Amino acid sequence: DTAVSQTPKYLVTQMGNDKSIKCEQNLGHDTMYWYKQDSKKFLKIMFSYNNKELIINETVPNRFSPKSPDKAHLNLHINSLELGDSAVYFCASSPRLRQGNNEQFFGPGTRLTVL
Amino acid sequence: AQKITQTQPGMFVQEKEAVTLDCTYDTSDPSYGLFWYKQPSSGEMIFLIYQGSYDQQNATEGRYSLNFQKARKSANLVISASQLGDSAMYFCAMRERSGGSNYKLTFGKGTLLTVNP
Repeated sequence: DTAVSQTPKYLVTQMGNDKSIKCEQNLGHDTMYWYKQDSKKFLKIMFSYNNKELIINETVPNRFSPKSPDKAHLNLHINSLELGDSAVYFCASSPRLRQGNNEQFFGPGTRLTVL
Repeated sequence: AQKITQTQPGMFVQEKEAVTLDCTYDTSDPSYGLFWYKQPSSGEMIFLIYQGSYDQQNATEGRYSLNFQKARKSANLVISASQLGDSAMYFCAMRERSGGSNYKLTFGKGTLLTVNP
């Protein structure tokens, strides 16, 4: 069974459209994340949720809105897509531990291409 | 300022030889964690190894070991007996506090390792 799944795997869309990416984890983790990996492979955190509560919100445009209906799901909605939004978006989850190896488990990524 | 620095954009190694991928970090938090992830050309992120700041011994996982030098703030990944399948991008990451008791991972820019036959 897939631990962290994302849909869709590929997303091609026109500038100005609104799109969503879904993420689900079956690991029973409390914390979920969204990362953006740009064309230079740089990976940067965007958001983090713990038990449906937003706990990390990096400097991300308001066009990006995460939504967590329950602790196993964290979806990412993007309004008014721009060319610069083209990237690979990774969802991840981890147990919320203050110490020790709270390894983050990554989904397969969603490659978003904005034309 | 960069918190995780990987100075080697690309590295080459001959099959069956060992290779060291460099990573230095910067933090004032006494409690932190260091991770290495592998990203093959297929794109998935694969966890390799973890080192906690209070761990006395260097972490090892199969052919992977982490050369942790706390005073120098370095956490180099050593891959022994390289295999063709080790060709991938390798990311060093640090778990650091992000307000209260929340943590986040900050990644380096990665090192692209190519294993030659």
